[in-house]
Amino acid sequence: EVQLVESGGGLVQPGRSLRLSCAASGFTFDDYAMHWVRQAPGKGLEWVSGISWNSGSIGYADSVKGRFTISRDNAKNSLYLQMNSLRAEDTALYYCAKGDFGDYWGQGTLVTVSS
Amino acid sequence: EIVLTQSPGTLSLSPGERATLSCRASQSVSSSYLAWYQQKPGQAPRLLIYGASSRATGIPDRFSGSGSGTDFTLTISRLEPEDFAVYYCQQYGSSPPALTFGGGTKVEIK
Repeated sequence: EVQLVESGGGLVQPGRSLRLSCAASGFTFDDYAMHWVRQAPGKGLEWVSGISWNSGSIGYADSVKGRFTISRDNAKNSLYLQMNSLRAEDTALYYCAKGDFGDYWGQGTLVTVSS
Repeated sequence: EIVLTQSPGTLSLSPGERATLSCRASQSVSSSYLAWYQQKPGQAPRLLIYGASSRATGIPDRFSGSGSGTDFTLTISRLEPEDFAVYYCQQYGSSPPALTFGGGTKVEIK
């Protein structure tokens, strides 16, 4: 059974940093691209970042480019999102999603940016 | 950058009725890279359709996807009570890996 478990969310002040993790199991992690997608309260889905199976190709949404860094550790079956210079508008539920089009999603970890 | 526009924003229907949801892309999208998701309150999105018309594992056959180029459609042939939810279309690319979502269509009980 595919499982994706996000962690690392919480309440953080504007300008500070946070690192999200996604632990994957139930599939061959290093066969798949992975993504981070967020959803602000009451809003739609917004893609944040994606990474190829071997980290050779990485993409970011314009809204986070230069502030967020995606990475993965295939030996640990884990995906990460380093978020720096956080803003109030980054407040959202952050999901990790498996594969080119996200065929499986975790339950998300909530990030709240507020003073 | 491709923009996906979904319509209508809200669809009010009764159980048993047919739902037709539209997704229009700002430029041509390969059918191979168009997906549909269902999201219920408090839950993660669930993949319904990929490749514009292929049902994901375990998805009932009342859900169907069609379309090509810039116009895509998700059809729910007969709405069941559990189908009332928000639906998103999505376009995906692999170099670099990227996803684009439409704004969503809420299917609500009339």
